[in-house]
Amino acid sequence: SAVISQKPSRDICQRGTSLTIQCQVDSQVTMMFWYRQQPGQSLTLIATANQGSEATYESGFVIDKFPISRPNLTFSTLTVSNMSPEDSSIYLCSVEKGLNTEAFFGQGTRLTVV
Amino acid sequence: GIQVEQSPPDLILQEGANSTLRCNFSDSVNNLQWFHQNPWGQLINLFYIPSGTKQNGRLSATTVATERYSLLYISSSQTTDSGVYFCAVTNSGGYQKVTFGTGTKLQVIP
Repeated sequence: SAVISQKPSRDICQRGTSLTIQCQVDSQVTMMFWYRQQPGQSLTLIATANQGSEATYESGFVIDKFPISRPNLTFSTLTVSNMSPEDSSIYLCSVEKGLNTEAFFGQGTRLTVV
Repeated sequence: GIQVEQSPPDLILQEGANSTLRCNFSDSVNNLQWFHQNPWGQLINLFYIPSGTKQNGRLSATTVATERYSLLYISSSQTTDSGVYFCAVTNSGGYQKVTFGTGTKLQVIP
């Protein structure tokens, strides 16, 4: 398994501001993934973060809005920029510890934008 | 991309009842997982089951990959089973994104 620590667990932010979410894993992993879960919805992949290269974004998500850093093999950050109430969601990071293995998730960051 | 549909979307059970949740997917898959999302939003891994049958206490799961579906059985349900159940798949090798199903929201009442 994997132990994933995500911070903050929740936050209430003013529109127009930015929030950076941190994800720390207990061991080195090649790929980290960031997901968004809007209220009452399923999870949607935002981007895949590989250490040492730029993140790969899914359709509908752009780097200017959701910049991602991956400085080493155990850590990543996701920033939600210039927030609006529509960004209110749960944001989760995920890792896979090997090829074709199960995915593990952090406890999530519950973001409310007012 | 691959489509993952779950049924039923909502389910209310009396404590002690049994239930079956279904996950249908539109293409062949490499991996399939079942998760329970608790009321605080945390995703709990239940099963990693690309094929076959597994059991863990009151829960069991079966995946028939050739027919593109998976089932999650909950027996003797408890109020702590309440939450949303997701199946999630990957359909190519290596490190690939997980595609989540539509979810089943379960409420177990005393």
